[in-house]
Amino acid sequence: DIQLTQSPSFLSASVGDRVTITCRASQDISRYLAWYQQKPGKAPKLLIYAASTLQDGVPSRFSGSGSGTAFTLTISSLQPGDFATYYCQQLDTYPYTFGPGTKVDIK
Amino acid sequence: QVQLVESGGGVVQPGRSLRLSCAASGFTISDFGIHWVRQSPGKGLEWVAGISSDGGIKDYTDSVKGRFSISRDNSKNMVYLQLNSLKDDDTAVFYCARDWFGSENFDAFDIWGQGTMVTVS
Repeated sequence: DIQLTQSPSFLSASVGDRVTITCRASQDISRYLAWYQQKPGKAPKLLIYAASTLQDGVPSRFSGSGSGTAFTLTISSLQPGDFATYYCQQLDTYPYTFGPGTKVDIK
Repeated sequence: QVQLVESGGGVVQPGRSLRLSCAASGFTISDFGIHWVRQSPGKGLEWVAGISSDGGIKDYTDSVKGRFSISRDNSKNMVYLQLNSLKDDDTAVFYCARDWFGSENFDAFDIWGQGTMVTVS
């Protein structure tokens, strides 16, 4: 199975900060990577697919990059509604594994 | 509107069975693969099972192989997850999600249900 790691697992930030989350895959997954945002008690929401393509309706302050085994999710200017947990997911090979998540909290 | 709605969760004793349902509306379910993802209390997301649009391809995470079974009835716009031989650590919120192909034929889970809670105790 393809393993995904995320770093950091937790980060504390302020409104307006630039935030970067890293996701690493245990083998080459090309650009078969998606990012999701999840708030407590809610279903995950798709932010980015194909490593860097913004899903319709997602604010442009979210961006993704990377290919192969190293990927990043960047929030250019953190907004109050962005405090949540972020997960990466690989869709290259079954099982479609998720990373362990990064919780973004208010400093 | 485009949505998925899960049902069938509840409290069940270890070793017993449960069937979860995922009802689609606002789109033609036969055009899409559907997946089940679970989240144990306070934990992360775990992909559990997936089924192709025509039902011909199914796959499962190792921990549920031989116990869980995914199926679909496109005529009813429904997908199901049969949970057998349930264990304590199957306790989780179970979500169904649509497998959507965007640009350049890359896919992602774009529509999620609200989740249904399964408690094994």
